[in-house]
Amino acid sequence: AQSVTQPDIHITVSEGASLELRCNYSYGATPYLFWYVQSPGQGLQLLLKYFSGDTLVQGIKGFEAEFKRSQSSFNLRKPSVHWSDAAEYFCAVGPPSGNTGKLIFGQGTTLQVKP
Amino acid sequence: GAGVSQSPSNKVTEKGKDVELRCDPISGHTALYWYRQSLGQGLEFLIYFQGNSAPDKSGLPSDRFSAERTGGSVSTLTIQRTQQEDSAVYLCASSSRDRASEQYFGPGTRLTVT
Repeated sequence: AQSVTQPDIHITVSEGASLELRCNYSYGATPYLFWYVQSPGQGLQLLLKYFSGDTLVQGIKGFEAEFKRSQSSFNLRKPSVHWSDAAEYFCAVGPPSGNTGKLIFGQGTTLQVKP
Repeated sequence: GAGVSQSPSNKVTEKGKDVELRCDPISGHTALYWYRQSLGQGLEFLIYFQGNSAPDKSGLPSDRFSAERTGGSVSTLTIQRTQQEDSAVYLCASSSRDRASEQYFGPGTRLTVT
């Protein structure tokens, strides 16, 4: 079955500290991989994506993610968290090709930032 | 517009009433998706349109849900005889044909069924 697991439902970090949000997936082939961020009352904003090539991808707002095929993981990182990063983060996978582009989402990780 | 737009932003309806939710995708995007976000179920795929192909309706939870896309652009999601369990945020997304997975989302419509 296709699924995405975000093991951490809630994470609290201090402002300026580093951050890593975990994501593991189960998929028949190597999917396209995404991280989205959702602030309260807002839609989903695409942070970054991985299709192929370099396994370390850079995104907006200083975020990066690393694809590890052997671990079926796509963890999101940021070296220094800002208070404005407090939000909910979703990892998602989608088919690498074909007509159906529906995404499968993890349950989300809520990030709280302490001053 | 520059992004995906949805209307209304909030909708409160009585149980048993029909509702229509609208989505206007990014100009030039051929694919359009509807998802539902609820507390108990997370983000669920509902339906997908790609160009003139038949829509993928595999995620619709019941026959009370339907969607159409007119002229390859604007889409309307209709929920008939609403139930309290339909209360959720309904998100629309669009993407280009060659990267259908790379989806850009609208702000959502929060539906509350009383």
